[in-house]
Amino acid sequence: DAGVIQSPRHEVTEMGQEVTLRCKPISGHDYLFWYRQTMMRGLELLIYFNNNVPIDDSGMPEDRFSAKMPNASFSTLKIQPSEPRDSAVYFCASSLRISNQPQHFGDGTRLSIL
Amino acid sequence: DQQVKQNSPSLSVQEGRISILNCDYTNSMFDYFLWYKKYPAEGPTFLISISSIKDKNEDGRFTVFLNKSAKHLSLHIVPSQPGDSAVYFCAAGGSNDYKLSFGAGTTVTVRA
Repeated sequence: DAGVIQSPRHEVTEMGQEVTLRCKPISGHDYLFWYRQTMMRGLELLIYFNNNVPIDDSGMPEDRFSAKMPNASFSTLKIQPSEPRDSAVYFCASSLRISNQPQHFGDGTRLSIL
Repeated sequence: DQQVKQNSPSLSVQEGRISILNCDYTNSMFDYFLWYKKYPAEGPTFLISISSIKDKNEDGRFTVFLNKSAKHLSLHIVPSQPGDSAVYFCAAGGSNDYKLSFGAGTTVTVRA
């Protein structure tokens, strides 16, 4: 079975540019989560979706960050404009809509903003 | 606010011996707990979980213990193998809420 697929794996761009991260969840999973991992703050939840609808975006750091899920098999996390402090590893995860089910993670996108 | 805490950033253990990783939580609404393992340049991989109705769950070499009164859980790996060298994250959530809170991770190094 294919796991969660994220692209690109690495992104290096200059400050001020728009960055789009992509995620394909596991087929049949109802929940999709976006996380950011940094040395200072560890693994923090940014936003999550249920059946393509955003449920909780309280972890989104600023208005420069936005996330969409146009269909059950695709989600994007966009940063516009990007800043050096956005440099981190961004993970996408998905899970079934059954309580006490684990989240399954993609391999992440390592983002570097110069 | 750190609702899940892993106070040991690293652990070194000899191959064949037991590895014990600890995790504390503060939110009494948490009733589902998980351990994830992470290798460099990969995403966290689910390892083992436990719900609050149990105090122990075992899967092969991995056992998770839950002490609800102390708000503490631990992961035991017996025997430790070189392939177990990784970062281990403790996570917790509520059964009515699909969010998870993660600890900062413990880096385990298994020495040959």
